[in-house]
Amino acid sequence: NAGVMQNPRHLVRRRGQEARLRCSPMKGHSHVYWYRQLPEEGLKFMVYLQKENIIDESGMPKERFSAEFPKEGPSILRIQQVVRGDSAAYFCASSPVRGQVSEQFFGPGTRLTVL
Amino acid sequence: AQRVTQPEKLLSVFKGAPVELKCNYSYSGSPELFWYVQYSRQRLQLLLRHISRESIKGFTADLNKGETSFHLKKPFAQEEDSAMYYCAPAGGGADGLTFGKGTHLIIQP
Repeated sequence: NAGVMQNPRHLVRRRGQEARLRCSPMKGHSHVYWYRQLPEEGLKFMVYLQKENIIDESGMPKERFSAEFPKEGPSILRIQQVVRGDSAAYFCASSPVRGQVSEQFFGPGTRLTVL
Repeated sequence: AQRVTQPEKLLSVFKGAPVELKCNYSYSGSPELFWYVQYSRQRLQLLLRHISRESIKGFTADLNKGETSFHLKKPFAQEEDSAMYYCAPAGGGADGLTFGKGTHLIIQP
């Protein structure tokens, strides 16, 4: 089991461009979480998805950010019209079951730099 | 609002000395509590969870509901314990974890 995969590992965008971050959960996991880590901060929860459904997006900014987890393929975190403040490390995690007692398995992260 | 505080950004102790990494939380309800660890050039991974009452790599964590704390302890630190440690409550109505800012633990030889 290769673990949670994220790509790209590093992404550079200019202000106003779109950023697409991909996450392939561990085999057998149907629950995906996205987190953002700003410099000198802890990871902040953004969104929780199951296949084809957004379950909890309480941590997502209201504008420009969206997430999906289609029936086939990886989960995608999409940031439209990026701004410098979007520069951060974005982590994806997956778990085999829902629940606040379930271990989450983390990917290596995607470091987004907005010029 | 859910909050978790790890007051020490950096903690340096000598090998063989006891270690305590502090974590205080402010949460509605009764959150489940985790400690995650990130070793150099590795992914964030679960160290231990309160519900399991386990000891992993010699570490234990006791939940004190009165003080709303979940401090991580180890009686004798080893050099391989050097890492970033994150306290992470779950619950409070949201499905994700809430991470503290982390404590960088350095074990000196």
